[in-house]
Amino acid sequence: KAGVTQTPRYLIKTRGQQVTLSCSPISGHRSVSWYQQTPGQGLQFLFEYFSETQRNKGNFPGRFSGRQFSNSRSEMNVSTLELGDSALYLCASSLVGQGRNEAFFGQGTRLTVV
Amino acid sequence: AQTVTQSQPEMSVQEAETVTLSCTYDTSESDYYLFWYKQPPSRQMILVIRQEAYKQQNATENRFSVNFQKAAKSFSLKISDSQLGDAAMYFCAYRGPYAQGAQKLVFGQGTRLTINP
Repeated sequence: KAGVTQTPRYLIKTRGQQVTLSCSPISGHRSVSWYQQTPGQGLQFLFEYFSETQRNKGNFPGRFSGRQFSNSRSEMNVSTLELGDSALYLCASSLVGQGRNEAFFGQGTRLTVV
Repeated sequence: AQTVTQSQPEMSVQEAETVTLSCTYDTSESDYYLFWYKQPPSRQMILVIRQEAYKQQNATENRFSVNFQKAAKSFSLKISDSQLGDAAMYFCAYRGPYAQGAQKLVFGQGTRLTINP
C-alpha cells in the first residue's frame, strides 16, 4: 500500500511569488491535514480537509489556503510569499472514525523563499 | 487551548541501554489520544506508539512503551535496548476527542535523541 506522497520534495521561490504544494493520501484515507515545521515555531497545524471541506484551521494568515479534491488529494497554496514562509510543509492523512485513525505523514516539501 | 510540553531538548543514551523521554500536556477533555512520533534525518514523521486516554493500560510496541499518567497529564516514552537506528527527533502529540471529528495534532517542541555506540 503506497504511503502519503507529497510533491515536489524541494522548492525554491522568490519573495512575492505564490506556490502550490500537493499531497496524495493513502488510499482510503479521506482526511488530509497540513503542518508547517520551522526551527523556531516547531510543528504548527495549518488546516484539515475531509470530504472536500475544510474542517479545522490553524492560526495562519489568509495567504495560506488549501483545497481537497473528490479523490481526497489535497493542495495547499501560499500567496505573496515571505521569507518567513521558508519551512518544511508536512501533509498527513488518516481514516476517520473510532479505532486506529492515527495520522500518517508524507516526506514533506522543503520550501525555501529567497 | 491544548498544549504539549517536552522539557528535554536533547537526550543521549548508550547503545543497548534504556532511555525515557518526558512529555506533559494540558487539556480539559477527558477523552483524547496521545502519540509519539519519530522524525529521523529523512524528515518523514513515523508513528512510534499511540495511547487512548480511556485505556488505563500503558501501550507497548516492541522496545517502545509509554507511562501514561492521566491525572498528572504525563505521557513519557521508554525506549529499551536502544539501537543506532533510534537516533532521531521525537515528538509527543495530542489529539482531541473522536467526537469532535477533527484530526488536528498538537505537537511538543521535540527531543533530539542521540545514540552513542
